[in-house]
Amino acid sequence: DSGVTQTPKHLITATGQRVTLRCSPRSGDLSVYWYQQSLDQGLQFLIQYYNGEERAKGNILERFSAQQFPDLHSELNLSSLELGDSALYFCASSAFEGYTEAFFGQGTRLTVV
Amino acid sequence: GQQVMQIPQYQHVQEGEDFTTYCNSSTTLSNIQWYKQRPGGHPVFLIQLVKSGEVKKQKRLTFQFGEAKKNSSLHITATQTTDVGTYFCAGLSRQEYGNKLVFGAGTILRVKS
Repeated sequence: DSGVTQTPKHLITATGQRVTLRCSPRSGDLSVYWYQQSLDQGLQFLIQYYNGEERAKGNILERFSAQQFPDLHSELNLSSLELGDSALYFCASSAFEGYTEAFFGQGTRLTVV
Repeated sequence: GQQVMQIPQYQHVQEGEDFTTYCNSSTTLSNIQWYKQRPGGHPVFLIQLVKSGEVKKQKRLTFQFGEAKKNSSLHITATQTTDVGTYFCAGLSRQEYGNKLVFGAGTILRVKS
């Protein structure tokens, strides 16, 4: 158990819909990262937050947004979903913005039908 | 933007053979981390390299960080079936407002017994 909790574990939704993925980081970790992993693909960096502030952005679509709340949990919002958005979405947390190891959650498997 | 290239994409080896995966960054890195993802699992931290030319060993695994801090390698000696999985490198680079941890596409290792 990495200490990072992601909910839900599985999500099936229709094209055009909007979903919210939730991540609770390890206790004490201030950084949260979101990654997308398509089938048999690598990890695509989406966005990073540190102590509530957006710190770095990857190739995140405009249809996607995220935020980190005062209690440090984070949410990734995906809207106007397309079939190609089907993927495993991982959240990871670390203590010091990447200078220490990142701990990954179990991921949310999103299927868009 | 920053890219982290990882080769090979796939490697099938006979149990007992050696295995190496290589990681190259388009920019100088603050550190490089290596992760292993077992099939159906989430990435798990293996090691972090920080210093130019650093070499670290974990039993049969040897990790190297290049002198220019732009490349790295992971070498496994005498592979075992338990080594099966995807190995990711992740490079940390400083951004204007924070640090970005960018993962390579990963190398999928299959071991035939």
